[in-house]
Amino acid sequence: DTEVTQTPKHLVMGMTNKKSLKCEQHMGHRAMYWYKQKAKKPPELMFVYSYEKLSINESVPSRFSPECPNSSLLNLHLHALQPEDSALYLCASSQEGNPIPNEQFFGPGTRLTVL
Amino acid sequence: AQKITQTQPGMFVQEKEAVTLDCTYDTSDPSYGLFWYKQPSSGEMIFLIYQGSYDQQNATEGRYSLNFQKARKSANLVISASQLGDSAMYFCAMRPNTGRRALTFGSGTRLQVQP
Repeated sequence: DTEVTQTPKHLVMGMTNKKSLKCEQHMGHRAMYWYKQKAKKPPELMFVYSYEKLSINESVPSRFSPECPNSSLLNLHLHALQPEDSALYLCASSQEGNPIPNEQFFGPGTRLTVL
Repeated sequence: AQKITQTQPGMFVQEKEAVTLDCTYDTSDPSYGLFWYKQPSSGEMIFLIYQGSYDQQNATEGRYSLNFQKARKSANLVISASQLGDSAMYFCAMRPNTGRRALTFGSGTRLQVQP
């Protein structure tokens, strides 16, 4: 199983809503990532979890709250978002440790629209 | 810090012909990995090929090959025998092998394969 799954595929939410994005992998990977991708732009790193601990936070606003409840799951909790947060949110995973892993596996993404 | 430059916003190629997508990079890290990803309109990032900075030979994966010129800091992707299904956005990315192990992406090249 070399698959990263993400739910939901599409999400429309108002600025006062609270929602969560979910990411799951069963490849035994111990590093998981959230990226944000605006239209016609490359993905930008948001967060990295290594062994279920947050290792990188790219100065992301607190209205985005990541959570890694176990080694297979990664959530992104959303609260009080702004319309400019509308984007494709991509989850990825990779092995950790040495030797360095040669790839990150990406999920299909969640297309988020904030009204 | 790493920087990836893709100077071709868009490229056209005839079906069955070969095409080269350019990528140059800048880094102070002595050891790093270079990646190419394909992103169709559906949004999923599909891993294509990997090149390690100390690899002596250029990487190949089926119709994909990476023309790695370390002294020139370039890592161009060559797609042979283009197919209509190759039409997509292509991103070059790199990741250091120590420290901040997260991908930095270039701005991407949109490839359109014409029949």
